[in-house]
Amino acid sequence: IQMTQSPSSLSASVGDRVTISCRASQAIRNNLAWFQQLPGKAPKSLIYAALSVQSWVPSRFSGGQSGTHFTLTISGLQPEDFATYYCQQYFDYPYTFGQGTTLEL
Amino acid sequence: VQLVESGGGVVRPGRSLRLSCAASGFTFTSFDMHWARQAPGKGLEWLAVISFDGSPKYYADSVKGRFTISRDNSKNTLYLQLNSLRFEDTGVYYCAKDDYYGDYIGIDHWGQGTLVTVSS
Repeated sequence: IQMTQSPSSLSASVGDRVTISCRASQAIRNNLAWFQQLPGKAPKSLIYAALSVQSWVPSRFSGGQSGTHFTLTISGLQPEDFATYYCQQYFDYPYTFGQGTTLEL
Repeated sequence: VQLVESGGGVVRPGRSLRLSCAASGFTFTSFDMHWARQAPGKGLEWLAVISFDGSPKYYADSVKGRFTISRDNSKNTLYLQLNSLRFEDTGVYYCAKDDYYGDYIGIDHWGQGTLVTVSS
């Protein structure tokens, strides 16, 4: 299953609202996760089941789904949000990641 | 939850390496475990998964037949045996656990990673 993320990079400012897109090459139900990776750090889980936010994640992060199109929205960007974001499908093995979206200040 | 990888290093092409991931802070025997990697400056690549009790196992096509995932539930440790290493296997290798919140939710925690460098 191929996961296509867009854009590959995105410039934004503190306080902005941004949306990252991820499209699956086939139906994956809601088996979609989003991860955040800061430079030199391990990935961190943000969203599971397309819409559900992990308990340790601020409420400004939200997930969306329409069919095979998924979105990650950050409302009110904070300085610590400038990172690379990956989507991943866990509907079937092998699990696959999108190519990543780098959010730049 | 704590996942601590070890065993990375510099290795020549064609040689082998075994990575370990020591798990703590959760009931290791209840969860499937994964390995993923990240080549320098590149994105994440999922590699393998092993069921909570050791079977079944699944692999990415890129490592099938060369890498072997295993676990020792008595030691709360996950392993990845890397054989026939290639230059393109260079990268940071992460272990990860998944979880269930009623339904399966996929990976929820990652280790800090261990660097494997394949160089002649």
